[in-house]
Amino acid sequence: AQSVTQPDIHITVSEGASLELRCNYSYGATPYLFWYVQSPGQGLQLLLKYFSGDTLVQGIKGFEAEFKRSQSSFNLRKPSVHWSDAAEYFCAVAKTGGFKTIFGAGTRLFVKA
Amino acid sequence: EPEVTQTPSHQVTQMGQEVILRCVPISNHLYFYWYRQILGQKVEFLVSFYNNEISEKSEIFDDQFSVERPDGSNFTLKIRSTKLEDSAMYFCASSEDRGAGEQYFGPGTRLTVT
Repeated sequence: AQSVTQPDIHITVSEGASLELRCNYSYGATPYLFWYVQSPGQGLQLLLKYFSGDTLVQGIKGFEAEFKRSQSSFNLRKPSVHWSDAAEYFCAVAKTGGFKTIFGAGTRLFVKA
Repeated sequence: EPEVTQTPSHQVTQMGQEVILRCVPISNHLYFYWYRQILGQKVEFLVSFYNNEISEKSEIFDDQFSVERPDGSNFTLKIRSTKLEDSAMYFCASSEDRGAGEQYFGPGTRLTVT
């Protein structure tokens, strides 16, 4: 069965510092991989997605993620965090040709001045 | 940019009552989904819907739940005889393609069962 693990429940970084949020997935083949962001009381906004091809994908708001098949990972990165990036971040996986998206438990990002 | 809309944004109901949550997917999308997020927990898949029938559902989606596309624009989730544990944020999503398609999420309906 597919699963997604986000090892960090919460992370605190200083504004301007770099960020990496970890995500590991379990799936028998190459899945579709996503990162979503959720601000308090808001819906889910897609940051970026990986389907195939270049393993480094660029997303909105300056985020990028790298797919590493050997590590079953899809970590999210940002070189310089802004206070407005404080939110909950969800890694997700979808089965090729399937319907549902499986979400990780989320990582809450706190940004300190 | 087209977006998925959901109404109401917040619904309060008494235990045992029926509720209908409404969604308007993006107009050219063919696949529709409901997810829920209990406060403080992960987002969970409930059901997917295509061509006027359920294409996949989770173990959460039991006989208490039903989905319908009553017309060409709306997609609804009905919860019969609500329970306290149904309190959650319910997200509707739609996609143009199956699986490979990016799912666009609505803002959610917060359901509170008292």
